[in-house]
Amino acid sequence: NAGVTQTPKFQVLKTGQSMTLQCAQDMNHEYMSWYRQDPGMGLRLIHYSVGAGITDQGEVPNGYNVSRSTTEDFPLRLLSAAPSQTSVYFCASSYPGPFGSYEQYFGPGTRLTVT
Amino acid sequence: AQSVTQPDIHITVSEGASLELRCNYSYGATPYLFWYVQSPGQGLQLLLKYFSGDTLVQGIKGFEAEFKRSQSSFNLRKPSVHWSDAAEYFCAVGTGANNLFFGTGTRLTVIP
Repeated sequence: NAGVTQTPKFQVLKTGQSMTLQCAQDMNHEYMSWYRQDPGMGLRLIHYSVGAGITDQGEVPNGYNVSRSTTEDFPLRLLSAAPSQTSVYFCASSYPGPFGSYEQYFGPGTRLTVT
Repeated sequence: AQSVTQPDIHITVSEGASLELRCNYSYGATPYLFWYVQSPGQGLQLLLKYFSGDTLVQGIKGFEAEFKRSQSSFNLRKPSVHWSDAAEYFCAVGTGANNLFFGTGTRLTVIP
C-alpha cells in the first residue's frame, strides 16, 4: 500500500492563478480531510469528506473548493490563489474503528508559495 | 468549541534526560486525544492515542501519555530522550467526522 499520496510536493503560484492539489489513498478509507499548516498555528482543517459525494467545511474553508467523486481521491482546488494561502497542505484519511476510535493517516504534504 | 493548548513553544533537553510535553484541552464531550510528531520537512506520524480505558497510554518510540480528566490534560512523557527525538510535537483532540483539532505544537531540541 502506498498509503496517502499527494502531488505536487512543491508549487509556486502567482496571485490569481488557480490550481488543484491532488490527494489519493489506497486504504479504502471513507474519511478524508485537508489541513493547512502555518508557523505557530499548528494544523487547521480546511474541508473534509465522510464518503464519496459528501463534503463539508472545516475551520478555514474560504478560498478552497473540494469534491469527492471516488473513495480514493480528494482534490483541493484553489480558484484564485492569494499570498495568504502560502502554506503547507496535508491530506489525511481515516476509518472508523471500534468504540468510536479512529486514526488519521497523513500524506507527505504539499508546500505551496503564492507570490 | 474545542481548543488545545500546548503552553511550551520550544523545549531544550539534554540527551538521556527525561521529557514531559504539556497539553491541555477543552472539549464538550469525552475527548479522543492524540499526539503526533513531525520531523523537519516531513509529514505527521502518530505517536499514541487515547479513546477510552486505561488513562496511561503507551506509544511508539518509548513515548507514553497520561489522560487526566480532572486537569483536562494529556501530557506526553519519555524517560530518556534520544537525539533522534528532536522534532515538533503536536497534541490534538478528535472532533466529529474523524477530524482533528490541533494545538500549536512544541518544538523539541536535544543537546548532546
